[in-house]
Amino acid sequence: DVKVTQSSRYLVKRTGEKVFLECVQDMDHENMFWYRQDPGLGLRLIYFSYDVKMKEKGDIPEGYSVSREKKERFSLILESASTNQTSMYLCAGQGREKLFFGSGTQLSVL
Amino acid sequence: AQSVTQPDIHITVSEGASLELRCNYSYGATPYLFWYVQSPGQGLQLLLKYFSGDTLVQGIKGFEAEFKRSQSSFNLRKPSVHWSDAAEYFCAVGAGRTGANNLFFGTGTRLTVIP
Repeated sequence: DVKVTQSSRYLVKRTGEKVFLECVQDMDHENMFWYRQDPGLGLRLIYFSYDVKMKEKGDIPEGYSVSREKKERFSLILESASTNQTSMYLCAGQGREKLFFGSGTQLSVL
Repeated sequence: AQSVTQPDIHITVSEGASLELRCNYSYGATPYLFWYVQSPGQGLQLLLKYFSGDTLVQGIKGFEAEFKRSQSSFNLRKPSVHWSDAAEYFCAVGAGRTGANNLFFGTGTRLTVIP
């Protein structure tokens, strides 16, 4: 099966810091996604990418950016972290008509 | 615009009992429907999906779901719940067979299984 790996399980950052969340997939597919998961809100799409150096905004892109320099790696960037970005972040890759998710990164911004 | 409603935030069932998790969707075109499960500390895993054809779809771990167009529903069922089924369940609707580029998730239903 497809494997999606998020480099950090837990992160604690301070307000104003620049934060990088890394995601790597082992399949040769183009599509990758970043979601955030909050209680009572489900999953919301932040950004997705169809190919290297290509990105599209999802439903809640404000305060985030992404980088896709290589097919296997899709990074989520918080340019200046804020407390309202404390959340669980899930990366996903697309393969065989479904999404494969990483285990998530729980980010706390203090 | 598409939307998904999971009316039950939390459900508790006894081990061995039957289970039904409700999902209602709103979508203007032909819906592509998914159920995902998230175990504690894990990412989401696809249980099953509906694209077309037989409205009763079978998934992994003994789950099934039935698409009812007239009711705009895609409820998830399992005849006998196991303790390992305790998790959070998400219904999703998307555009296209993958739905991935426009996948809209419900808010989830947390399942607790008591012995």
